Amino acid sequence: DQQVKQNSPSLSVQEGRISILNCDYTNSMFDYFLWYKKYPAEGPTFLISISSIKDKNEDGRFTVFLNKSAKHLSLHIVPSQPGDSAVYFCAAFPGAGSYQLTFGKGTKLSVIP
Amino acid sequence: DTAVSQTPKYLVTQMGNDKSIKCEQNLGHDTMYWYKQDSKKFLKIMFSYNNKELIINETVPNRFSPKSPDKAHLNLHINSLELGDSAVYFCASSQEWGSGEKLFFGSGTQLSVL
Repeated sequence: DQQVKQNSPSLSVQEGRISILNCDYTNSMFDYFLWYKKYPAEGPTFLISISSIKDKNEDGRFTVFLNKSAKHLSLHIVPSQPGDSAVYFCAAFPGAGSYQLTFGKGTKLSVIP
Repeated sequence: DTAVSQTPKYLVTQMGNDKSIKCEQNLGHDTMYWYKQDSKKFLKIMFSYNNKELIINETVPNRFSPKSPDKAHLNLHINSLELGDSAVYFCASSQEWGSGEKLFFGSGTQLSVL
């Protein structure tokens, strides 16, 4: 039972354009969401997060949007750079007092120079 | 200066053997974790220790035994290795337990059981 779904296993984008990575979740108890970025042969590194009380969080070129009613979040990268090529994992957390961080399967982003 | 380091990076072994993976964090975090990334690429939590105490033990065979000698170390020992244990194992740490704090991951140990 996949509670966090990333339905696109891969995405290719031209350098300088926008990359949009999508994530859907099924558990309405999730109230904190994170994106991690993973390069080959390395561990995932934290990228950006959003609390359910917000619908947008921005950090430089990275913006995460949350649509609670649709149980959907997306990560926008503008402009995309070749160094952004990596696997991006969406993760969700039920909130304070819980340990269960649930990950999606990841989306492999390739930014073409 | 690596924040979360785990060794070895690659581990190839025969079925039935016993092996250990070591993990150390120099971030001063209270909580450490072991995650498994299986062939379907899902990252799933196996164990969590908070201040050397076991907090989480997900549905993991008891052939897997974590050991936390101190707050900065969480080792994973696996007995009687099976083919299905082949996966990438990630160690991670966070400032606190249950606070939603972001995790810091090690670079992973790719275990191949032949």
